[in-house]
Formats: sequence, C-alpha cells, structure tokens
Amino acid sequence: DIQMTQSPSTLSASVGDRVTITCRASQSVNYWLAWYQQKPGNAPKLLIYKASSLHSGVPSRFSGSGSGTEFTLTISSLQPDDFATYFCQQYDTSWTFGQGTKVEIK
Amino acid sequence: EVQLVESGGGLVKPGGSLRLSCAASGFTFSYAWMNWVRQAPGKGLEWVGRVKSRIDGEPTDYAAPVKGRFTISRDASKNVLYLQMNSLKTEDTGVYFCTTGFNPLGAWGQGTLVTVSS
Repeated sequence: DIQMTQSPSTLSASVGDRVTITCRASQSVNYWLAWYQQKPGNAPKLLIYKASSLHSGVPSRFSGSGSGTEFTLTISSLQPDDFATYFCQQYDTSWTFGQGTKVEIK
Repeated sequence: EVQLVESGGGLVKPGGSLRLSCAASGFTFSYAWMNWVRQAPGKGLEWVGRVKSRIDGEPTDYAAPVKGRFTISRDASKNVLYLQMNSLKTEDTGVYFCTTGFNPLGAWGQGTLVTVSS
C-alpha cells in the first residue's frame, strides 16, 4: 500500500502569511495527487487535483506543485476563511490520504 | 447540480450489520466510479472502497480493514450507491461519506454517522 506523510501536523500562522504544506508518498504516484480542505462538521472540499490543477471556484491564492513522491500545497496569503485542516490524497493506486495538517491562528 | 445524500447511519452493537445508502443526482451515475470514505471521531480520512463504472464491469476494491466484511454495490435504476457493513467492530465508528472523487470532480455527500458500541 502507498503511504502518504504530511508535514507539519499543525501549523500556526497569521492572516497574510504565506503557508506551505508538504506531502510525501512512499512510492511514486506520478501526478495523481489531490489536496482537500476540511472544516469541523463538514465534508472535505477539493482544492487541487492532478498535483497542480485548481478546482473550479477555488481562490487563486491556493496552488499545488510536485510530482512523483514529493508535493506541496501553498497558500500565498492566508485569509480568515483558510483556517482549517488540509489533507493530501494519492489516487494512483486505490486511494490513500495523508494524516492532515491543521492550520491554526497564531 | 451534482448532489450526493447519504442515509442509514445509526447505533449498532459490535457484530451487527448496517446498510448505508447514497442517493446521487445531477450526473450520469452509471458512468461514475463511486467511493466510500470514513472518518473516525477527531481523526483523518480513510478510504473504505469503491465500485467502478458499468462500462468497466462494476468491479469493487476494498481497503484491508474492511475487506470481507463490507460490500459496495449500486442500483443504476435508482441512482443509489450502497455500503453493506457486516461484522461491525467498535473501530468502524465514524462518519461515512460517499464521493465521486474525480469524475465528476470533487462531489462529496454530507456524511452519515455510524456508531458501533455495546
């Protein structure tokens, strides 16, 4: 099974900060990597698919990069609505999610 | 508009069974690969399994923790996805989501809570 490891697990940041979250796969997933945002009590929301494609309606401050085994999600200027938990997901072989990164207010 | 609505969750004793449903609308259901994902209280997301499209022959795949206990099926005439859960364990407790994944992109239901407890 492919394992996904996110870092950090928790991130404290302020509005306006540039934020980067990393996701590593235990083997290559090519570019079959997605990022989700989840808030308490809600379903995950797709932000990025195919490593760097922005899902419709997602603000352009979100971007994704990487291929193979190493990927990043960047929020260029953190907004109040962005405080949430973020998950990466590989969909090259079945599906596996990272353990999540909670973005907290500093 | 693509919509997924889960139902059927509830409280069940260890060893019991439960069937979840996911009503789909707004897209061609028989063409979509449909997945179930669960989330234990305060934990991350865990893929449960999927059924591929009718064109692919509707094969199913399951995560190791549920293989042999859970069965995914679909009724294309009703546009409904099912998750039959047998031999339930306390560690199966959580919110269960159905999702299309990537075709259509990014559609998730609101989830239904399953609690396995004596």
